[in-house]
Amino acid sequence: GAGVSQSPSNKVTEKGKDVELRCDPISGHTALYWYRQSLGQGLEFLIYFQGNSAPDKSGLPSDRFSAERTGGSVSTLTIQRTQQEDSAVYLCASSRTLGEVKNIQYFGAGTRLSVL
Amino acid sequence: DQQVKQNSPSLSVQEGRISILNCDYTNSMFDYFLWYKKYPAEGPTFLISISSIKDKNEDGRFTVFLNKSAKHLSLHIVPSQPGDSAVYFCAASTTDSWGKLQFGAGTQVVVTP
Repeated sequence: GAGVSQSPSNKVTEKGKDVELRCDPISGHTALYWYRQSLGQGLEFLIYFQGNSAPDKSGLPSDRFSAERTGGSVSTLTIQRTQQEDSAVYLCASSRTLGEVKNIQYFGAGTRLSVL
Repeated sequence: DQQVKQNSPSLSVQEGRISILNCDYTNSMFDYFLWYKKYPAEGPTFLISISSIKDKNEDGRFTVFLNKSAKHLSLHIVPSQPGDSAVYFCAASTTDSWGKLQFGAGTQVVVTP
């Protein structure tokens, strides 16, 4: 596609349920990033992928969060046993390559997650 | 801990005037800085960047100034236009950090006619 696509755009779930958020990066982009933005806060870095590999998972807030990427393309962020503090906008970005900060990150519109 | 800070949550400016957005950082290892612009219901889009080897970078109506000794950067928009109304995020990174960006909380700019 022309840009980074995220689905769903909105997700309302009950506390304790699992959710999956999907990201389709720009075709050909090898690097993929997940961020989240809580209300009134800046973007908080969660995890990055180079290809299908995520070398550093230390940005994930807890072990309820996991992410995977398959085929060097689509990525899924999974939150298990959601809590109210997980409510935020989850943003995905991709860039041509990893390791060069001058490679611009292109963002999707995000998934707004609301945990009731 | 917030390493990039935008202390002004909002800014209102008249069309045609200059908008000045400020950003402070605490990590002296940052050597690359970016500004992103975000409209409601859209993802942030890249606006302009500056490397720490420079103190100014200009792109059309947008200029970013970097003061390394003060750990401060600013974005100037001249002249401001109604389409510039958006949230502006300052972000910083290190060249060896594989592209991980640290973002400020953003400044909401409203340009009035």
